[in-house]
Amino acid sequence: DVKVTQSSRYLVKRTGEKVFLECVQDMDHENMFWYRQDPGLGLRLIYFSYDVKMKEKGDIPEGYSVSREKKERFSLILESASTNQTSMYLCASSGVSGGSYEQYFGPGTRLTVT
Amino acid sequence: ELKVEQNPLFLSMQEGKNYTIYCNYSTTSDRLYWYRQDPGKSLESLFVLLSNGAVKQEGRLMASLDTKARLSTLHITAAVHDLSATYFCAVDIKTDKLIFGTGTRLQVFP
Repeated sequence: DVKVTQSSRYLVKRTGEKVFLECVQDMDHENMFWYRQDPGLGLRLIYFSYDVKMKEKGDIPEGYSVSREKKERFSLILESASTNQTSMYLCASSGVSGGSYEQYFGPGTRLTVT
Repeated sequence: ELKVEQNPLFLSMQEGKNYTIYCNYSTTSDRLYWYRQDPGKSLESLFVLLSNGAVKQEGRLMASLDTKARLSTLHITAAVHDLSATYFCAVDIKTDKLIFGTGTRLQVFP
């Protein structure tokens, strides 16, 4: 079974803090993704990566950066957290398998910025 | 711009009834996925549909794909309370990304 893990289930940070969200997958997948999910707005793609040290902006990259130094690990960084970044953050990974790019999701991190 | 639209957005249905959730998309694709999300939880994969005419069934849920109509359906048979969740479809446009629908929140009541 594919396993995608995220470093924290719940996180509370103060405005202005630097925040690191970690994601690790164990299936040797090439692609990794960070989404945020807010009520009424569905899933919105922040950044994704299709290879080590490669990154691509998604739909809402402002205020975020990412790092992928190893294939299995993809980090989301909030350089200076703000209250409007309070959200559920979901990490996912995918690799081509039988013609499918199915994404596998981690358990999510609920971040509150006060 | 690629759009993936689900309807209805919210569905309240009685146990034992049947209903269908629709997922329409605006570009060519022959691969589509369905996910389930329970409140406060992450997304769980339900079905992977990889060709026109594909049909998959698991328990009371059945998903199908019509690539010519750019339509996928998720049919619920004899609903039970445990099916209460939000269901997302996601379209694969072969760029390593998936485009997610808005989600359908299903509530099954006795």
